[in-house]
Amino acid sequence: DADVTQTPRNRITKTGKRIMLECSQTKGHDRMYWYRQDPGLGLRLIYYSFDVKDINKGEISDGYSVSRQAQAKFSLSLESAIPNQTALYFCATSDGWGGVTGELFFGEGSRLTVL
Amino acid sequence: SQKIEQNSEALNIQEGKTATLTCNYTNYSPAYLQWYRQDPGRGPVFLLLIRENEKEKRKERLKVTFDTTLKQSLFHITASQPADSATYLCALDRTGGGNKLTFGTGTQLKVEL
Repeated sequence: DADVTQTPRNRITKTGKRIMLECSQTKGHDRMYWYRQDPGLGLRLIYYSFDVKDINKGEISDGYSVSRQAQAKFSLSLESAIPNQTALYFCATSDGWGGVTGELFFGEGSRLTVL
Repeated sequence: SQKIEQNSEALNIQEGKTATLTCNYTNYSPAYLQWYRQDPGRGPVFLLLIRENEKEKRKERLKVTFDTTLKQSLFHITASQPADSATYLCALDRTGGGNKLTFGTGTQLKVEL
């Protein structure tokens, strides 16, 4: 089984719908991240969490929200999906220390299409 | 503004040659720099991490250099193989950067027989 599991792997939805992408990990890491990847723009950070009570916005958090239900679970929600949120979404974990992120362990990605 | 630049054009090389990929950055003071490999439709996979006070790091056929004066990292794959074909991403972990990595857009490497 993968260390970082994302569900669903693929989703097609319509504008205005609420969507949740889920991420669970068995790495035992405290730090979890959500990135989106677009062609030509690379990976951009949406939200990150250092523990259940510590959630922080990344560079492109508008239109997104997150929930850290447990150390192992970190969900990303699109309250009202719009077409420019069509992208490949990645969840990642790290065993960072202090001011250092450390190595990121990525899930396999969730491809979201908003029509 | 802060920028991380990787060559957007694909790099095509022959099997057995050394592939060299470049990562340039501006307006950063990175404490660490990382390199990842990404295959189509898959999540990135960590390869190497190099600290700002390290000039070079090696792992098997991989070598990374980090020049904070030139604000550049070079990533080398020696004796390249078709299986090395992938997109390679560099990522910077800034001093005081809020504990988060910022990624370049990646360079696609194609190793031909």
